[in-house]
Amino acid sequence: DSGVTQTPKHLITATGQRVTLRCSPRSGDLSVYWYQQSLDQGLQFLIQYYNGEERAKGNILERFSAQQFPDLHSELNLSSLELGDSALYFCASSELAGTYNEQFFGPGTRLTVL
Amino acid sequence: SQKIEQNSEALNIQEGKTATLTCNYTNYSPAYLQWYRQDPGRGPVFLLLIRENEKEKRKERLKVTFDTTLKQSLFHITASQPADSATYLCAPGNTPLVFGKGTRLSVIA
Repeated sequence: DSGVTQTPKHLITATGQRVTLRCSPRSGDLSVYWYQQSLDQGLQFLIQYYNGEERAKGNILERFSAQQFPDLHSELNLSSLELGDSALYFCASSELAGTYNEQFFGPGTRLTVL
Repeated sequence: SQKIEQNSEALNIQEGKTATLTCNYTNYSPAYLQWYRQDPGRGPVFLLLIRENEKEKRKERLKVTFDTTLKQSLFHITASQPADSATYLCAPGNTPLVFGKGTRLSVIA
């Protein structure tokens, strides 16, 4: 158990809908990362927050947004969902902001868009 | 743009042998490189980090090398066991961290 929690575990929704994925980092970790993993693309970095502020951005679609709250938990919002958004979404956390830090991954949320 | 290649999608070896996985990267010069293990449907788990001034790093049956001239890292598992079967991801350090697609290792008893 990495200490990172993600909810929900599974999510099934329809195209055009909006969903929110939630992540609680390990106790003491200030940095949160979101990744998308699909079969053909591998693990793709979406966005990083450090202590409430956006730190780095990957190829995150404009339909996707995220935030980190004062208690350090984070939410990833996905809107106007398309079939291609079906994937595993992972949250990871690390103590500090630099990517030389070991990242601890949560169990993931499996999103299925029908 | 940055590119990461892991030697093959799948690697099958016999129990007890040494597995060697390759990670090649192009178009950037990371100061460090990380290796993760991922089991099906689960999040990756950190294994090792090696810095550019470290040629080799070991942890139990794992050994990682980092050749900044060749832009390559080798990941070795000695005395492999069926429990080592998983996908192994390399991530040459940068901001943000970029992962390779991984090599799926199967250790056959």
